[in-house]
Amino acid sequence: KAGVTQTPRYLIKTRGQQVTLSCSPISGHRSVSWYQQTPGQGLQFLFEYFSETQRNKGNFPGRFSGRQFSNSRSEMNVSTLELGDSALYLCASSLSGGGETQYFGPGTRLLVL
Amino acid sequence: QKEVEQNSGPLSVPEGAIASLNCTYSDRVSQSFFWYRQYSGKSPELIMSIYSNGDKEDGRFTAQLNKASQYVSLLIRDSQPSDSATYLCAVITSNDYKLSFGAGTTVTVRA
Repeated sequence: KAGVTQTPRYLIKTRGQQVTLSCSPISGHRSVSWYQQTPGQGLQFLFEYFSETQRNKGNFPGRFSGRQFSNSRSEMNVSTLELGDSALYLCASSLSGGGETQYFGPGTRLLVL
Repeated sequence: QKEVEQNSGPLSVPEGAIASLNCTYSDRVSQSFFWYRQYSGKSPELIMSIYSNGDKEDGRFTAQLNKASQYVSLLIRDSQPSDSATYLCAVITSNDYKLSFGAGTTVTVRA
């Protein structure tokens, strides 16, 4: 079974631009969670989607948003990029969320100049 | 207080030794606990999940959970250079089912 895939793998943007990242979960998984990882803050939860609905949200500004499609694929968008948004963005999928194991994709490394 | 705290590293152990990693969590009613391994520049990969008090063994890895003490640990026996990585403790919080991570402990196994 194929794992979680994320595209693109690397991105370079400038301040003020916006970016969209994509995540395809493991086949059959309906829950997709997004995380931001930085050296200073570690892994932080952004949001979780299940059946096209956002179920949980972390403590990030409204510039960070996401959505999920009927095939469980998910996208996250960051508008008005700031230098501090440079990070590794990780997507993880699980069967239905809750207390299950989450499996991570390879991540998208975003650099904001 | 952070939701998940791990013993600060880095931890350096000789090849063949036991590496011991510790983690405490603040949400008393958390039910799901995980250890992930992350190599430099890579994404986290699951080593083990544990849900009940006691020990759970998988190969050279043993996870221990003590809910009364809000403590979970990971032992790596017969450490190998390939075990050199950052180990992340993660806990599913009970109110919103989000996965909260500790800061990670970096382990270096000396050949």
